[in-house]
Order: sequence, then structure tokens, then C-alpha cells
Amino acid sequence: EAGVTQFPSHSVIEKGQTVTLRCDPISGHDNLYWYRRVMGKEIKFLLHFVKESKQDESGMPNNRFLAERTGGTYSTLKVQPAELEDSGVYFCASSQVDSIEQYFGPGTRLTVT
Amino acid sequence: AQSVTQLDSQVPVFEEAPVELRCNYSSSVSVYLFWYVQYPNQGLQLLLKYLSGSTLVKGINGFEAEFNKSQTSFHLRKPSVHISDTAEYFCAVSEMDSSASKIIFGSGTRLSIRP
Repeated sequence: EAGVTQFPSHSVIEKGQTVTLRCDPISGHDNLYWYRRVMGKEIKFLLHFVKESKQDESGMPNNRFLAERTGGTYSTLKVQPAELEDSGVYFCASSQVDSIEQYFGPGTRLTVT
Repeated sequence: AQSVTQLDSQVPVFEEAPVELRCNYSSSVSVYLFWYVQYPNQGLQLLLKYLSGSTLVKGINGFEAEFNKSQTSFHLRKPSVHISDTAEYFCAVSEMDSSASKIIFGSGTRLSIRP
């Protein structure tokens, strides 16, 4: 069974540009989470989807970040326009319904110059 | 609200020596407790978890952790480390009364093993 996959693995963009990160959860996992680790600090929660609905988006830093999960399968996280402080590693995780165990993807390293 | 504190950002240890990585948490509600590991150039992997029952939890690769409710701690231990244990370790919690809830992570501890 394939694990959580994320694309791209690395992205380098200039300040003001737009970047879209993609996450493919484990097949059948209704829960999908986005997390971010900035500059070696703690990994912080961004938001949680249940199928295509946003269950909790309390961690989204500002309106430059837009997450979608059309059809309840894969998810995208768009940053527009990107700022220097958005640099970090973005992790995606998924879990089954009513499960506390989340499976993490390898992350996307975003560098904004 | 919950928070997790990992007191040591880096822990250097000689190979085959024992190691303890410290973790303390704060929460107004009951929580589940986790340790995740991130090996170089890889994603996060669950090492072990405490849900209920015995306070001593055994995980993969010979690691174990002990839940201490009175001290709100969940320290990770291994009696003898190997070079392959070089990684970053994250202590984490999630709210017990809400299934499928977000995970709150500590800032991580880098374990470096010296031959």
C-alpha cells in the first residue's frame, strides 16, 4: 500500500510568486492534515480536512494560504503571494475515520528568496 | 490548549551508550502522547504512542517511553543506541476526547551518535 505522497519535494521561488503544494493521502483515508515547520522550530498544525470539508483551519497563518481538497481525495495548498517567512517544510498527513494515528508524507521543502 | 516542551535541542551520545530524550507537556484536558522520528531526508515516522493502560510503552527499534501523569512527562529511552538511531525525535500530544484531532509537536531533539 502506498504511503502519503507529496509533490514537489523541493521548491525554490522568489518573493511574490505563487506556489502550489500537492498531497496525496493514503487511499481510503478521509482525514487529511497539513502541518508546517519553519526555521527549525516546532511542527505546527495548519488545517484538517474530513473528506472535502475543512474541519479545522485554525492554524492557517493568513489569507495568503489557500487549501483545497476537491472530491475528497488529494489536496493542494497554495501560497499566493509567497513571503520570505513562508520558507519551511510543509508536511501532509492522513488518517482513517476516528483514528488517532496519522501517517505523514516526506514533506515539501519550500524556499522563498 | 496544549503545549509540548523538549528541553534538549541536541543530544550527542556515544554508540552503545544509553540515551534519554526528555519531554514535558501541558494540557487542560486528557491527551494521547506520541514520539515521532525523522531520519535524514525522510518523513515523520511514528515511534510509539501512549493511549491508556500501562505507563511503559514499547516502540520500534528498541525505544520505550514512560508516561508520568504527576510530572506530565513522557521521556523516551533506549538502553543502547546505534549509529542508525541518528535522527530528529519529536514528542507530541493530541486531545483525547476528540478523535482525529490535530497533533501538537515539541520543537524536536536531534540525536547524534558518535562511534
